Amino acid sequence: GNSVTQMEGPVTLSEEAFLTINCTYTATGYPSLFWYVQYPGEGLQLLLKATKADDKGSNKGFEATYRKETTSFHLEKGSVQVSDSAVYFCALSETSGGSNYKLTFGKGTLLTVNP
Amino acid sequence: DTGVSQDPRHKITKRGQNVTFRCDPISEHNRLYWYRQTLGQGPEFLTYFQNEAQLEKSRLLSDRFSAERPKGSFSTLEIQRTEQGDSAMYLCASSSYQTGYTEAFFGQGTRLTVV
Repeated sequence: GNSVTQMEGPVTLSEEAFLTINCTYTATGYPSLFWYVQYPGEGLQLLLKATKADDKGSNKGFEATYRKETTSFHLEKGSVQVSDSAVYFCALSETSGGSNYKLTFGKGTLLTVNP
Repeated sequence: DTGVSQDPRHKITKRGQNVTFRCDPISEHNRLYWYRQTLGQGPEFLTYFQNEAQLEKSRLLSDRFSAERPKGSFSTLEIQRTEQGDSAMYLCASSSYQTGYTEAFFGQGTRLTVV
């Protein structure tokens, strides 16, 4: 079956530090890959996505590249801000014909950015 | 459009009672998903609908759980004879054929506490 493994948290950084949150996956087909973010008191929001190998998703200064050879989709940001403090979830969905597109999530990584 | 809305946001119930949650998806999103999220874990798939048809149920969805989506619009999730292990955040998401179902929009969730 499908699974997602992401870096255990919590992660605590100072403002303007470089962020990496590792994510690897196992899938039987050709998944799309996602990063979702959950800010305190809010619902899950799609941060970025990549639908095929070597695609790079990007949004709000965050980036992640779909690496089929290493089955990875690591999240990076060059300079984090206090407002980036949230829980980050890596996820995948199968996108082959007839797929239900349900999402399989990792456990989440809590990021805290201090001023 | 205000996004996916869920009601109630919080529910405290006594063990053995029945509870029902409602989800209103983004209008014209024909797919609707239910997920469950427990503390420290990522969301786990429960079931999904395409229009009014329930097309898949996870093995996590015991006989005490039932979901409906009459007329293909809002959906309800009912839990009968609640148990303490049902305490979790119940999330609803919707997606559209227009984006190839690759982008799911989540509501803020209903937090259930069984005492």
